[in-house]
This record gives sequence, structure tokens and C-alpha cells, in this order.
Amino acid sequence: GENVEQHPSTLSVQEGDSAVIKCTYSDSASNYFPWYKQELGKRPQLIIDIRSNVGEKKDQRIAVTLNKTAKHFSLHITETQPEDSAVYFCAARGSGNEKLTFGTGTRLTIIP
Amino acid sequence: DTEVTQTPKHLVMGMTNKKSLKCEQHMGHRAMYWYKQKAKKPPELMFVYSYEKLSINESVPSRFSPECPNSSLLNLHLHALQPEDSALYLCASSPRLGGSTYNEQFFGPGTRLTVL
Repeated sequence: GENVEQHPSTLSVQEGDSAVIKCTYSDSASNYFPWYKQELGKRPQLIIDIRSNVGEKKDQRIAVTLNKTAKHFSLHITETQPEDSAVYFCAARGSGNEKLTFGTGTRLTIIP
Repeated sequence: DTEVTQTPKHLVMGMTNKKSLKCEQHMGHRAMYWYKQKAKKPPELMFVYSYEKLSINESVPSRFSPECPNSSLLNLHLHALQPEDSALYLCASSPRLGGSTYNEQFFGPGTRLTVL
């Protein structure tokens, strides 16, 4: 089955700087890669996703890149703000697969 | 309505109690999911329903019993739980199952369950 590794487990960034979180996956058939943000006590919220037919997707300060050859994908947050502090989970789903496999999460702290 | 809702928000139950968690969505989604999330861990899939039929059971103990009465509702019946079952129980929905594109999965706010 699919295995998703996520690094780092914790990340502290000065406000205004950029943050990068990286994930690798094992199943080369995976074709959908969402990122979820979960604030303390709240639901995981889908913030951006990417499909295997594109290499990069951007939405304002958030971008995701995908390298299918290396089987890794990354979340980039620019101009970080205190409200970006949360736990971020990457996930992967294979073609014809009904399940999302989640990474172990990254706790991002933005230092004012 | 573009949300998944869950009730109750919090639930405390004894090991001999029977209780139910409820999930509702009115987005026309035909796939619905139950996840369990422990502190500082990712969501862990328990059950998946597709078109009101159970599609996936991730070897969940029988003290958890899912039910999908219609396309908008998903229940999780709880009986004889253990303290280690205390967790955040999340419901999610997506337009359909499978790896097709534009099949985003959206989570409800969860039910915080404590088993005494």
C-alpha cells in the first residue's frame, strides 16, 4: 500500500519568511496530492491540492510542487503570518484507490 | 450548504453506554467517511460509504458500527467502548469514491469523544 513520509515534524519560521514542508510517497500510481491545515481543536481544512498531470499549483501565498519522477511533493508558504500557525498534513491517493494516505504532520509555528 | 456538520461536538460516555455520532452533508456527495484522530496524529480511516453502501471497513472493532440511512446522513453507533477509544472522530465527504480528478474530501468539525 501507499506510504507517505513528511518532514519536518516541527518548523518555526519568523513572520514574513517562507516555510517549506516536504512529503514523499511510495506508490508511483498515486495521482492526487492534497494538503490539509488543522488548527488546534478544529477540523482539517483542504488548503490546496495538485494532480499528477501538473508540476506546480499556486493560490495566493500558498504553492505546491510535484516531482513525479522523484515521488515527492512540497508545500510552500510565502510571507508567513501568525494565522498560518497550525499542523499541516500532506496526503496521497492512487488512481482507482479509494483511500487518502496521510503524512504524519508538520507543526508550523510563526514567530511574530 | 457547503459544509459537513457533526453532532454532538463533545461526548463523554462510560464503557457500558451506547451512543451515536451523527454526520450530515447537503453537497450531494455520494462518498462519506469516518476517521479517528488521536492527538498529534493524522486522521486514521475507519469506514467508507459509497452510494449508501459500505465500501471499506479498515478492520475496525465491532464496538463501532456505522450506518448510512441516506445519501446525506452518516451515523456511527458506539457500544462498550474502551478508554483508548477516546479521540476526535471526524466525518468527511467527497463527490464520489476513487482517484478521479476533482474528488476533494471535506471534513466535518469532529466529535471529541471521551470514554471513562
